[in-house]
Amino acid sequence: GESVGLHLPTLSVQEGDNSIINCAYSNSASDYFIWYKQESGKGPQFIIDIRSNMDKRQGQRVTVLLNKTVKHLSLQIAATQPGDSAVYFCAEMSMDSSYKLIFGSGTRLLVRP
Amino acid sequence: DTAVSQTPKYLVTQMGNDKSIKCEQNLGHDTMYWYKQDSKKFLKIMFSYNNKELIINETVPNRFSPKSPDKAHLNLHINSLELGDSAVYFCASSPGQNQPQHFGDGTRLSIL
Repeated sequence: GESVGLHLPTLSVQEGDNSIINCAYSNSASDYFIWYKQESGKGPQFIIDIRSNMDKRQGQRVTVLLNKTVKHLSLQIAATQPGDSAVYFCAEMSMDSSYKLIFGSGTRLLVRP
Repeated sequence: DTAVSQTPKYLVTQMGNDKSIKCEQNLGHDTMYWYKQDSKKFLKIMFSYNNKELIINETVPNRFSPKSPDKAHLNLHINSLELGDSAVYFCASSPGQNQPQHFGDGTRLSIL
């Protein structure tokens, strides 16, 4: 069946360092991927997305990398700040699953001052 | 001016009751969704509407019934609430089916 998973449930980084959050997906037909950030008591907040015709996309302090060969997705956050502390979810979507957005289990990012 | 707003934010009620959660989006999006997030933070889609038409209906008990009176609103009615319904319910919207989804801040439902 379809599943999206994360390698690390919790990631602790020093303020100012770069963070890398990884995600594995199982549906090779997935063609659209999104990273979300969820702070306590809030809804998931869109960070960045990437479609399967690309392997890298950059935003402000964030970069998403997509490796379709090994079905792997990563989110890189540069110069991590205390405000980046949250739970991060990757999500995948494919036409053959009626464009349902399927979420991974989430990684908690803790930023040490 | 909140983009996707849900009411109420908290809902505490007893088993067996019927309750509704309302959702409104002012983004002009065509597609709206309901998700359930359990105590382990796992997010799963329940329903999706596109231009008031139901397009995704996951394996959800038929006690849950979505209603879309217009494109900007998607409400969720739950009959005969059970303990296992306790969760955070999120509404979301997107311009189209294959587009980024924008989420509300959730409704925390607690069943006593």
